Amino acid sequence: EPEVTQTPSHQVTQMGQEVILRCVPISNHLYFYWYRQILGQKVEFLVSFYNNEISEKSEIFDDQFSVERPDGSNFTLKIRSTKLEDSAMYFCASSEPSGGNYGYTFGSGTRLTVV
Amino acid sequence: SQKIEQNSEALNIQEGKTATLTCNYTNYSPAYLQWYRQDPGRGPVFLLLIRENEKEKRKERLKVTFDTTLKQSLFHITASQPADSATYLCALDIDTGRRALTFGSGTRLQVQP
Repeated sequence: EPEVTQTPSHQVTQMGQEVILRCVPISNHLYFYWYRQILGQKVEFLVSFYNNEISEKSEIFDDQFSVERPDGSNFTLKIRSTKLEDSAMYFCASSEPSGGNYGYTFGSGTRLTVV
Repeated sequence: SQKIEQNSEALNIQEGKTATLTCNYTNYSPAYLQWYRQDPGRGPVFLLLIRENEKEKRKERLKVTFDTTLKQSLFHITASQPADSATYLCALDIDTGRRALTFGSGTRLQVQP
């Protein structure tokens, strides 16, 4: 069964450093997303991406965050200057263009720890 | 303010019984609602989607209902098994074009053998 692949599975970074989280969405999906989950809290929407541009973003997704599809397979989330409160599990997801009855396919996540 | 609430943080049932999980929302008019399963340290896994004009959806032992008047969705697992133990999340979106799911906090289901 096709899956969304995320790397690395765990990243530790110092406060103020830049991090790039990587994702390979399902190949025939056209919508891509980033969500995050702080430990013990809800899954929160960050950004959706379609046709090489951001289609929707939340208040969390401020100027410190950016997304990119650098080639035909990868989808990245960059945090420019990490803060302690950015520590969370970051999930990439993708979905089919029509939505249908298939929901979103999530990756296993990258656990980001900012120290 | 907009809220999504899922009943009880935890639900314990005996194997073989039906588990019923509730998702209530306020100040939303969702275009559709989705249910996911999440195991510890893993990403959500999609289970079922139900649209605003649908009353009920089934998939194997799973059933979801959607009542837009009550602003509630019920998620049922029949003939529950210990392997069904997980956290179940409801998520909604107000617009099929917007594609920005809002998740509830989840209900942790424990099925006792």
